[in-house]
Order: sequence, then C-alpha cells, then structure tokens
Amino acid sequence: DSGVTQTPKHLITATGQRVTLRCSPRSGDLSVYWYQQSLDQGLQFLIQYYNGEERAKGNILERFSAQQFPDLHSELNLSSLELGDSALYFCASSGTSGGAAYNEQFFGPGTRLTVL
Amino acid sequence: DQQVKQNSPSLSVQEGRISILNCDYTNSMFDYFLWYKKYPAEGPTFLISISSIKDKNEDGRFTVFLNKSAKHLSLHIVPSQPGDSAVYFCAAIPAGSYQLTFGKGTKLSVIP
Repeated sequence: DSGVTQTPKHLITATGQRVTLRCSPRSGDLSVYWYQQSLDQGLQFLIQYYNGEERAKGNILERFSAQQFPDLHSELNLSSLELGDSALYFCASSGTSGGAAYNEQFFGPGTRLTVL
Repeated sequence: DQQVKQNSPSLSVQEGRISILNCDYTNSMFDYFLWYKKYPAEGPTFLISISSIKDKNEDGRFTVFLNKSAKHLSLHIVPSQPGDSAVYFCAAIPAGSYQLTFGKGTKLSVIP
C-alpha cells in the first residue's frame, strides 16, 4: 500500500460529459502528480502541484484541469470527454515522509475511465 | 519522440536465474532514474533508483546499473522469483524537475 488513495476506482460516462477524479497523497507529501496511461501512449505526465500551486505541466489537454486544496488532496477535472480520453489515470505524491528521497514518487491504484 | 525507451516488450526467465531489464534514454538532461514495477489493476510501485553521479545502486535482489556515456541503464534481479512477474517501467527525471518520463515497460514472466 503506497499510502496514496484515489477515487473512484472505475468511472463510466458518455462523450461530452465532465468528470472529477480525486486523489489523497501520502501523509506529509506536499507534491501531487497526475499521469495518464493509455494503451498506445504508456504513462504520460499531465501536471504537478506543490502545496496548492501548479508547479509543472506536461501533455495535459486544455479540456483537463486540476487543483490541489489546502488539505493537500487534489482533483483532476476532465470535461467535454471524448472516446480517446478512456484511460487509466494515476495520481502520485512525493515528499520525504518515511525517509523517501524527494524524487521518488508513490502512485495510487488509479482510476479507470471509460468514455462510451 | 520517445526519450526513454525499453526496447524489449517482454522477457521470460526461469525461476532462480538472473533477469536483466534494459532501458535507453536520449535526453542528456536526465539526472535521476527510477524503476517501477506494476501488477495488473494496481498503480506502479517504486523499486529502486539511481542518481547520475553513481553507476550502481543495490537493494536486496535488485541492482540498477547506469552507463551515462551510453545513456543506458539496466535492472538486474537475482535470483528471479515467480512473484517478480510484472511489468517493469524505467523512468527518468531531468535536473531541476520532478517530472517523470516513462518508458513503455517490459513485461517480465518468471517461470517456476
């Protein structure tokens, strides 16, 4: 158990809809990252937040947005969903909790999004 | 353009033997490298890492080797166990960043 939790585990929705994925980082970790894993693209970095502020952006579509709240949990919002958005979405966190090096990211179990 | 490449999609090894998983990278700005293991329906699990100032890091049965001049790293698992069967991802971080760039993974099957 990495200590990172994600909800929901599965999400099925229709094209054009909007969904919100939630992530709680390991206790004490200030950084949260979002990744997308699709069949053909592998694991792709989307965005990073550190203590409530956006720190880095990767291959994140304009239809997607994220935020990190004062209690450090994070949400990834996906809107105007398309069939191609179907993927596994992972959240990860990092920090020095438990003696980890700051570069080591700990992943949650993921949310499987299916867009029909 | 794939900056981290794992050219072997799969690998089969007998239990007790050595498993060697390879990874190549193209971005010379990468200075920290990690290996993750992933089981189906679970998130990636951190295994071992290495900084670019080292050429070897060992943790139990797992050893990672880094050859900076060749832009190549490898993960050795000795001895391999059936429970090691999973997909292994190589990942890299550029200096001054925390953004992981992943390879596409190698599926390891350890045969009893």
